[in-house]
Amino acid sequence: ELKVEQNPLFLSMQEGKNYTIYCNYSTTSDRLYWYRQDPGKSLESLFVLLSNGAVKQEGRLMASLDTKARLSTIHITAAVHDLSATYFCAVVGGATNKLIFGTGTLLAVQP
Amino acid sequence: EPEVTQTPSHQVTQMGQEVILRCVPISNHLYFYWYRQILGQKVEFLVSFYNNEISEKSEIFDDQFSVERPDGSNFTLKIRSTKLEDSAMYFCASVDPRGAYSNQPQHFGDGTRLSIL
Repeated sequence: ELKVEQNPLFLSMQEGKNYTIYCNYSTTSDRLYWYRQDPGKSLESLFVLLSNGAVKQEGRLMASLDTKARLSTIHITAAVHDLSATYFCAVVGGATNKLIFGTGTLLAVQP
Repeated sequence: EPEVTQTPSHQVTQMGQEVILRCVPISNHLYFYWYRQILGQKVEFLVSFYNNEISEKSEIFDDQFSVERPDGSNFTLKIRSTKLEDSAMYFCASVDPRGAYSNQPQHFGDGTRLSIL
């Protein structure tokens, strides 16, 4: 059974600081997605990572994928308050392309 | 940009009652999904639907749940006899897995918050 874990579960950081959040998954998958969720809202797609070594940049966020280690990360550079949200990674599992979500990382950026 | 739309945004229902959650997926998409998220927890897969039939379902999706695509646009999730533990946010998602779109992310609706009393 495919399992997806994220850490940390909760991250409180100050504006201007850098940090990395992690996503580990248990079995091989050819696609990994990152979504952002604001409180009470839907899931907004952030990154699509398709191959080993893939790196994508979106503003202050940089996502990467290491399929051999089964690890994806988002590196946050000079955090700002607007980045406060919950970040989920999701791995494609099974023939129907269902998404298996990680536990989520709740990011709170303090002024 | 096309969107997945869900109605209602919030549904309050007495335990034991039937509830139908509605979704309009993006029009040219072929795969449709329901997920749920219990408050403060991760998003869990319920069911996938393709070519007018269920293609995969999770352990959560028991006999109390059913899905239907009654016409060319709507996609519904029915819970026959609701339980307290069915209280959650329910998300509909759709994707076009063909060709150039094969790796595109699933598009999620805004969700229906289901509260069982």
